[in-house]
Amino acid sequence: DTGVSQDPRHKITKRGQNVTFRCDPISEHNRLYWYRQTLGQGPEFLTYFQNEAQLEKSRLLSDRFSAERPKGSFSTLEIQRTEQGDSAMYLCASSSPVGEQYFGPGTRLTVT
Amino acid sequence: QKEVEQDPGPLSVPEGAIVSLNCTYSNSAFQYFMWYRQYSRKGPELLMYTYSSGNKEDGRFTAQVDKSSKYISLFIRDSQPSDSATYLCAGDSWGKLQFGAGTQVVVTP
Repeated sequence: DTGVSQDPRHKITKRGQNVTFRCDPISEHNRLYWYRQTLGQGPEFLTYFQNEAQLEKSRLLSDRFSAERPKGSFSTLEIQRTEQGDSAMYLCASSSPVGEQYFGPGTRLTVT
Repeated sequence: QKEVEQDPGPLSVPEGAIVSLNCTYSNSAFQYFMWYRQYSRKGPELLMYTYSSGNKEDGRFTAQVDKSSKYISLFIRDSQPSDSATYLCAGDSWGKLQFGAGTQVVVTP
């Protein structure tokens, strides 16, 4: 399977804990995106990388959120001191510089 | 006001009927438009990707873009129960996708 993969698929954590999610893009894609989706809403843009450079961050991405793509391949999204409002589906997508974005299966975060 | 507006539905149609989905948008900077299908608790799956005004057809799916009216549509012919899902429209502004809230479609056998 050569699609976008995400790990874990589901994470349950207690409020105040840190969590980290991983995304592996389609191998030939140099752009990687993170989105967040809550129930009944469409995905909302968080940030994106071109190769290893983080080019843009949404205002939705508070200081508790950090994303990295150290070698221009996989990416991680870390949430520090999780809050109940962070409960959502975190989606990763990848694309070529001008092209369609393909999404992974998502990581469902539940903060208790 | 959201940049992309979409009727949440649900839209219920009998098997074999044509499903008609619509979105309006306000951002004139959108260069590309996409339709995604999303099953419950899954990631969005790309269905159609269009650039210019006009129609694009792919199998049972037809996408229409009217940039003058800021209106995009998706038609699904010969609908099947497996088409039951949420359909998301999106506009692309320099790589960032802005999504509508999605329309839930139910195709009944």
